[in-house]
This record gives sequence, structure tokens and C-alpha cells, in this order.
Amino acid sequence: DAKTTQPPSMDCAEGRAANLPCNHSTISGNEYVYWYRQIHSQGPQYIIHGLKNNETNEMASLIITEDRKSSTLILPHATLRDTAVYYCIVRANRDDKIIFGKGTRLHILP
Amino acid sequence: NAGVTQTPKFQVLKTGQSMTLQCAQDMNHEYMSWYRQDPGMGLRLIHYSVGAGITDQGEVPNGYNVSRSTTEDFPLRLLSAAPSQTSVYFCASSPLYEQYFGPGTRLTVT
Repeated sequence: DAKTTQPPSMDCAEGRAANLPCNHSTISGNEYVYWYRQIHSQGPQYIIHGLKNNETNEMASLIITEDRKSSTLILPHATLRDTAVYYCIVRANRDDKIIFGKGTRLHILP
Repeated sequence: NAGVTQTPKFQVLKTGQSMTLQCAQDMNHEYMSWYRQDPGMGLRLIHYSVGAGITDQGEVPNGYNVSRSTTEDFPLRLLSAAPSQTSVYFCASSPLYEQYFGPGTRLTVT
């Protein structure tokens, strides 16, 4: 079973920041938090990952709470092309299997 | 780099037939995996491999075999196709953190 819980769907207005929450209350100290997204029927796309510090790249920011039991993926200026299913995953190391949960379906509203 | 390639893109099988879905990557990634995605559902892990000669089961391994004789290739074999195996199959590879996904194979079993 997936180790994360996400809301099934969310809406966000175009141009606004999209904040996608993820609960991972049973996360272990050596597990990273990963985010992927899947646009329509394409293969999933890696977005970002982190261990305990906040992370930012050209796509998004990842905010992890101090107790590491939850995190938020932030898309700073959402566009219609960000409409997708977003998956939050925890994984310990390179040899650990990667299990996807049900994800959050993000609708960007024009 | 071609990235992760999958063949065929589409396949129709009759119940009881066998076939092999091909997956190849040219990025020298040790970790490779196979997922299936049923309509409107998330991805489920079938099998994965952390290097040549090493494979392990995922969430839904029954009815599928894999082998990993080289770093580049990770074929998925359906032994005796069943209608329940109608799905989109994604292969992925990973260097350390992020996974790169192929475009998928859409399989229909009648």
C-alpha cells in the first residue's frame, strides 16, 4: 500500500499558486518525499524530491514540515498545462521499490 | 539519448496468448520497473530490478515474468493473457532519485 494520503482532487485558478498537500505520517527518517505528475495518458514526470529541507527547482517548490509528517508541493504560477494527476511518494533509497498512490487530480481553471 | 523506449505502442491479444513487452534505456540506469495503469486508476508496480541479474516482485506480479540480463533491457512477459490484463503498461528507469518513464504500451486482451 502507498504510504501517503492525498486529496482526490483540487481546483486552482490560472496564474495563482497551486498548493498540493500530502500526508506521510509514518515516514521513516531515511525516506525521501518525491512528487511526480501525469498529464493525460502520458508516462509520469518527475517534479521534485526532498528529505527534510525545503527544495525548489524550475518547476516547483517542496515544503516539508519540521516533523516530516506532511509536505506541500507548490506550483507558483499555475497554467492550464499544469492540469494533471499529482502523486506524492516516499522512498528510502535507490533500491527501494516505488509505489504510487491514487494522487490528486489538479484542475486549473481559466 | 533516446531515454526509455517501449515497444510495441499498441497490441491486441486473444485470451491465452503470450507475448513480451519490450523496454530499453540508454542512460545506464541500474533501477528499472514495470507498472500497469487501468482506466481512471493510478499506477501499480508489477516487477522491478535494481540491476542486471536482480529482479523482485511489486504489488501485482501474478501473470507476469521479467528478466534482466543486461543493464539496458527489461522485458515483461505475459505468460497466458487474460482480459484482466487489459491495461496501459509503463516502463521506467532511475539513476538514483528520479524515475524516467517510457511512453507506454496499450494492451487489449479479448
